[in-house]
Amino acid sequence: ETGVTQTPRHLVMGMTNKKSLKCEQHLGHNAMYWYKQSAKKPLELMFVYNFKEQTENNSVPSRFSPECPNSSHLFLHLHTLQPEDSALYLCASSQTSGGRWEQFFGPGTRLTVL
Amino acid sequence: DQQVKQNSPSLSVQEGRISILNCDYTNSMFDYFLWYKKYPAEGPTFLISISSIKDKNEDGRFTVFLNKSAKHLSLHIVPSQPGDSAVYFCAANGGSQGNLIFGKGTKLSVKP
Repeated sequence: ETGVTQTPRHLVMGMTNKKSLKCEQHLGHNAMYWYKQSAKKPLELMFVYNFKEQTENNSVPSRFSPECPNSSHLFLHLHTLQPEDSALYLCASSQTSGGRWEQFFGPGTRLTVL
Repeated sequence: DQQVKQNSPSLSVQEGRISILNCDYTNSMFDYFLWYKKYPAEGPTFLISISSIKDKNEDGRFTVFLNKSAKHLSLHIVPSQPGDSAVYFCAANGGSQGNLIFGKGTKLSVKP
């Protein structure tokens, strides 16, 4: 596999469920990101991990819980979500050294909360 | 308040003509800018970038222009092709962690 992969691609869950989104990058990057994309809004940065350490939490509600066991894997644990959390969740990775800022995105998980 | 703005939600262009997508930013500390392209049901794909030390960067049919005094950048696609139909996002580096700040996107439709 190459690039950034995300599973599952689609997820439907009830408000009382607990589920997890998984992201894996095969690019040797040191940083990984979770974004949320809602309709007609810019991509919203949720979390940043750099060398497995969380460096940013953009005021995300605690019902979203990230986990980064190593530089290649990133999870987003979901519990007691609300219908307004329905969105496309995108994972990205980048190499933060060298003065270049390109991030490479996975295909996203389309989440629907009922 | 949005720091990166794409004021045109959509743009329609005839195949073979030039597409010009615009982006404005408010923070003069931004020094690196990127354009991404996104097809439905896929993640954004990096297209082209420009550092603030340059005012132009070209890659094939894609050219990005940066006007620092106006805090404005634009993406030119020439000639436009139907396969270019997608949503285009402008982004700027938002800090030392490599965080990017994105605009809302412009949906480009290239008609045959």
